[in-house]
Amino acid sequence: GNSVTQMEGPVTLSEEAFLTINCTYTATGYPSLFWYVQYPGEGLQLLLKATKADDKGSNKGFEATYRKETTSFHLEKGSVQVSDSAVYFCALSDLQGGSEKLVFGKGTKLTVNP
Amino acid sequence: GAGVSQSPSNKVTEKGKDVELRCDPISGHTALYWYRQSLGQGLEFLIYFQGNSAPDKSGLPSDRFSAERTGGSVSTLTIQRTQQEDSAVYLCASSTGIWANGYTFGSGTRLTVV
Repeated sequence: GNSVTQMEGPVTLSEEAFLTINCTYTATGYPSLFWYVQYPGEGLQLLLKATKADDKGSNKGFEATYRKETTSFHLEKGSVQVSDSAVYFCALSDLQGGSEKLVFGKGTKLTVNP
Repeated sequence: GAGVSQSPSNKVTEKGKDVELRCDPISGHTALYWYRQSLGQGLEFLIYFQGNSAPDKSGLPSDRFSAERTGGSVSTLTIQRTQQEDSAVYLCASSTGIWANGYTFGSGTRLTVV
């Protein structure tokens, strides 16, 4: 079945450091790919998405490129801030068997220190 | 409404009791999803509704779990004879049914079984 594998955390960085959170997927067909973010005490929010190969999703300084050849959708940010501390989830759309749902990775907790 | 509303936000129940969790999706969203978020387990899919029908119930962990949706709107997740392993945050999400747009999540119900 379709699945998502994220790098395990936690990840701890200093402010202004470069961030990469790895995400790879296994899927039949051509899924859409998503990154969701969960800030402390809040619900999940869509951060960015890409719907086809070579698409780049971007938002709030974060970027991720849909790489079909490596089945990856790594999240990057050039200079993190303390306010980026959150749990990040990679997800793909699963349209098998008459269902339409998102399949999520286990999440990566990011802590950014001042 | 403006967002996905879930109630209660917190629920503590005794082992063996039944609980009902409610989700009020964004008006006009035809698709509704229930997920469970346990510590270290990421987001576990439970059930997907399209309108009032549930084409995919594959994630319900046991026959103690059931869900319904009425009027294409409000959904209720019922857990009968709760067990301690049911303790988790139960998340509801809704979408337009155009899966490429992703979901909007509610803030969740934190269920604690004592």
